[in-house]
Amino acid sequence: EDQVTQSPEALRLQEGESSSLNCSYTVSGLRGLFWYRQDPGKGPEFLFTLYSAGEEKEKERLKATLTKKESFLHITAPKPEDSATYLCAVPTGEGSARQLTFGSGTQLTVLP
Amino acid sequence: DAGVIQSPRHEVTEMGQEVTLRCKPISGHNSLFWYRQTMMRGLELLIYFNNNVPIDDSGMPEDRFSAKMPNASFSTLKIQPSEPRDSAVYFCASSQTGAAFFGQGTRLTVV
Repeated sequence: EDQVTQSPEALRLQEGESSSLNCSYTVSGLRGLFWYRQDPGKGPEFLFTLYSAGEEKEKERLKATLTKKESFLHITAPKPEDSATYLCAVPTGEGSARQLTFGSGTQLTVLP
Repeated sequence: DAGVIQSPRHEVTEMGQEVTLRCKPISGHNSLFWYRQTMMRGLELLIYFNNNVPIDDSGMPEDRFSAKMPNASFSTLKIQPSEPRDSAVYFCASSQTGAAFFGQGTRLTVV
């Protein structure tokens, strides 16, 4: 069964304190891994897509990396505005029509 | 593009009433998804469509839930009759070949 597990569930950081979020997955035939950010009261906002082990993507203070079993979202020198829930997801299903299965998310709080 | 548009943003209804949630996907996207989000269960896929055809509705909780996509630019999710345990945020998302893009959601409260 396809599964996506995120850790930790919650993370509190001081402003400037770098850290990493983890997303581990068990999927037969990975067809990409997606990272999203969700702010309270809003829909998930797409951040990155990673397709192959060793791939990295960066956006401002965020860098996503991918191995054969997990992905990391590295946050460098975070600011309070980086506080949000970060979700990862993998496509499951068959053929060209496929849905995203989401992890339960990591709620990040960055304190000033 | 305006993104995925959902309406209403908030809905409060009494138990037993019919509720209809609406979604306009991003133009050109051929897949549409309905998700439900709660604190307890996170984001759960209810149903998804590809080229307006329902592909997998195994996530639909029970027969009280139904979804339609009459054309490429519109979909509805209907709950009849509604129950308090249906209270959640319902998201619609659309995609073409890669990432799914989400609307702002409909917060449903059934009292």
